[in-house]
Parts: sequence; C-alpha cells; structure tokens
Amino acid sequence: NAGVTQTPKFQVLKTGQSMTLQCAQDMNHNSMYWYRQDPGMGLRLIYYSASEGTTDKGEVPNGYNVSRLNKREFSLRLESAAPSQTSVYFCASSEVGLVSFFNEQFFGPGTRLTVL
Amino acid sequence: GENVEQHPSTLSVQEGDSAVIKCTYSDSASNYFPWYKQELGKRPQLIIDIRSNVGEKKDQRIAVTLNKTAKHFSLHITETQPEDSAVYFCAASTKNYGQNFVFGPGTRLSVLP
Repeated sequence: NAGVTQTPKFQVLKTGQSMTLQCAQDMNHNSMYWYRQDPGMGLRLIYYSASEGTTDKGEVPNGYNVSRLNKREFSLRLESAAPSQTSVYFCASSEVGLVSFFNEQFFGPGTRLTVL
Repeated sequence: GENVEQHPSTLSVQEGDSAVIKCTYSDSASNYFPWYKQELGKRPQLIIDIRSNVGEKKDQRIAVTLNKTAKHFSLHITETQPEDSAVYFCAASTKNYGQNFVFGPGTRLSVLP
C-alpha cells in the first residue's frame, strides 16, 4: 500500500498563476483533508471532505477550491496564487467511525509551494 | 471554537533525560487527543493518542496524560534518544469542521548526544 500520495513535491509559481495539487489514498478511507503548514503555526485545515461527493470549508479556505473526484482522490486548486499562499501543503485521510469517534489521520509527504 | 496551546515551543535535553510537552485546549466537548511527530522534511505521523475516558496511556518510552477538568494533556518521553529529535504536535478533536482536529503550534525537541 502506498498510503497517501501527493503531487507535485515542489512547485514555484508567480503571483496570479493557478495550479492544482493532487492527492490520492489507497486505504479506502471516507474522509480526506487539506492542511497548510506555516512556521510556528502548526497545521491549519483548509478544506475537508467527509465522504465522496461532499466538501466543506475548514479554518482557512479563502483563495482555495477543492474537488473530491472519487473516493480515492481529493484535489486542491489555487485559482490565482498569492505570496501569502507560500506554504507546505499536506493532504490527509482517515476512516471516521461513529459520530463522536475520531481516528488517526494519515498524512501524505507534502507539497512545498513558493509563490513569487 | 477549539483553541490549542502548546508549550514549550523549543526544548533541548541531554540524551537519556526525559522530555515533557504540555498542551491546553478550550472546548470541553473535545474527546480525542492525538500526538504527531514530524521529522525534518517528513510528514507528520501519529505516535500516541488518548481518548477522554482514560487518564493515561503508555507505549514503551512514550506516555500521555489527560486532565479533563483542567483541560490539559501532556506528552512524556523517557530515556530520550537522538532519533527523538523532531517537531511534536498535539491536537484536540473538534466538531467545528466535521470530525477533525485543531493542532497546537508545535514543539521542536532536540536531543543532544
């Protein structure tokens, strides 16, 4: 099992350019997440998908869009990149149990994005 | 919404000593508290977690304690080794964003040989 995979590993964009970050998991998990990681700020949730066909905003959704293509794949799109979006982006997945039952989130290797 | 604070932000210990990292949370409804370890340039990985129905959990050299009344939980690493050097993140569950976590800002642990 590859677990959670992300592409690309690194990307440099100019302000105003667009791009899509790809994420896939082979663990048959229902839930998937996109986080950004900035120095001293931990991991902040951008968007999540509780199940195939649903997506919802997280803590910092502005400037991003997502697509849950199928159960395996969850993509993150930057329509018009800004320097403030320079960050490391992590995708994660988990199997969610009953309403109040939380489980481990498995993370991908990350994408380091620089916006000039 | 949930807010998670974590202290200290950096911690240096001598190899073989113990390390303790403390976190506080604000939402009394939080009931799951994972700890993630992130080595330099790598992805975060779960090292231990605790649910609100227990006060302590151990896994070899790692232990986590939870005080629900005070809303704080701590990670304890005994007999530290150089490979324990990493950034450690605590997290608390929240229902603000589905079934998800709010992460603390992280603690950079350095184990000096």
